[in-house]
Amino acid sequence: EAQVTQNPRYLITVTGKKLTVTCSQNMNHEYMSWYRQDPGLGLRQIYYSMNVEVTDKGDVPEGYKVSRKEKRNFPLILESPSPNQTSLYFCASSSTSNHQDGDQDTQYFGPGTRLLVL
Amino acid sequence: GQQLNQSPQSMFIQEGEDVSMNCTSSSIFNTWLWYKQDPGEGPVLLIALYKAGELTSNGRLTAQFGTTRKDSFLNISASIPSDVGIYFCAGQLRNFGAGKSTFGDGTTLTVKP
Repeated sequence: EAQVTQNPRYLITVTGKKLTVTCSQNMNHEYMSWYRQDPGLGLRQIYYSMNVEVTDKGDVPEGYKVSRKEKRNFPLILESPSPNQTSLYFCASSSTSNHQDGDQDTQYFGPGTRLLVL
Repeated sequence: GQQLNQSPQSMFIQEGEDVSMNCTSSSIFNTWLWYKQDPGEGPVLLIALYKAGELTSNGRLTAQFGTTRKDSFLNISASIPSDVGIYFCAGQLRNFGAGKSTFGDGTTLTVKP
């Protein structure tokens, strides 16, 4: 079954305590992204990765780091979390096709990680 | 960064009615995407659009890539209760799924039986 998994699903932490949210996909997708979603707003992209060892900033990268050492994993690291990073975080993976033989582009989002920074 | 204006912000409709929503941008995109998000879940991709003027359907959903490349529209025909949720548009400069994505703030759809 095609799947994007995130861990943990819920996390309460304190300001300044480093944390990592893991993201893993089992579809061999090239592209992966991290987003945050705040009440009443759409998703805002934090970082994205085009392939292993290739990452770049999205619209709101401040306070976050990522790495892509393996194709399947794309962890999000908060070195020193602050209360304004309290949010719902989503990881996504996607892959393009040549649109032949019924192949379609695919994208899947993880179930989300709800983070509260006190 | 780029911004998308999605409207309406919310809609309350009767079951069976048709729904229209749209997104506009001040700059062009090369890919437009439409998603649905149910409470407590991640977004699910509904339709991807790749060319200006393209019209694509997915069941009762139809989406169009505006000819100016600065807007996109989503229509839902004959709405049913399970259409309830938040619909998001997103634009990308690069190919599908690659690079930066910009999302609208969503349209919350409520369908009354």
